[in-house]
Amino acid sequence: EAQVTQNPRYLITVTGKKLTVTCSQNMNHEYMSWYRQDPGLGLRQIYYSMNVEVTDKGDVPEGYKVSRKEKRNFPLILESPSPNQTSLYFCASSRSRNLGEKLFFGSGTQLSVL
Amino acid sequence: AQSVTQLGSHVSVSEGALVLLRCNYSSSVPPYLFWYVQYPNQGLQLLLKYTSAATLVKGINGFEAEFKKSETSFHLTKPSAHMSDAAEYFCAVSIPTSGTYKYIFGTGTRLKVLA
Repeated sequence: EAQVTQNPRYLITVTGKKLTVTCSQNMNHEYMSWYRQDPGLGLRQIYYSMNVEVTDKGDVPEGYKVSRKEKRNFPLILESPSPNQTSLYFCASSRSRNLGEKLFFGSGTQLSVL
Repeated sequence: AQSVTQLGSHVSVSEGALVLLRCNYSSSVPPYLFWYVQYPNQGLQLLLKYTSAATLVKGINGFEAEFKKSETSFHLTKPSAHMSDAAEYFCAVSIPTSGTYKYIFGTGTRLKVLA
């Protein structure tokens, strides 16, 4: 089944404790992206990747890191989480980096930073 | 700057009634417009997409949207609401940026269907 898989589904951590949220897609998609969803703000892009070893900042990149060493994986790293990073996170992918592509979303990761 | 505005963060309709979710956009280039739906505890999934082939776009589950350039609108409708339509709906525009594209999402409209 074609899908985007995120783990973990729920995560509670404390301020400053490094964490990684994994994302993997099995559709050989070129483009991958991370979003955070906050009430009243919709989805905002954190980072995106057009291909292996090519990543770039989205609209809210502060406090996050990403890597794209393999085409299928695009982990999101929080080196020193803070409470304002408590949010619902989504990984998404699309077949290409071309305009008009449909996004395929993972099921989300609910992160709470205490 | 490009933006997407969804009027009404919460909309309630009776089962069987018309669903109308409003979306207005601003874009300096011909837009690609989307509606995504998010069911509880799930990721977003594509409902429908406008790519300039036709102004009336039909999507899944009986939804459709009409692109009106003069009004910069892309409202989502469904003639008869079903209980299973209860979800959050996001309008989005895809615009070119730095050799690729980016999505700009609206803030979402939560649809409640009353029995």
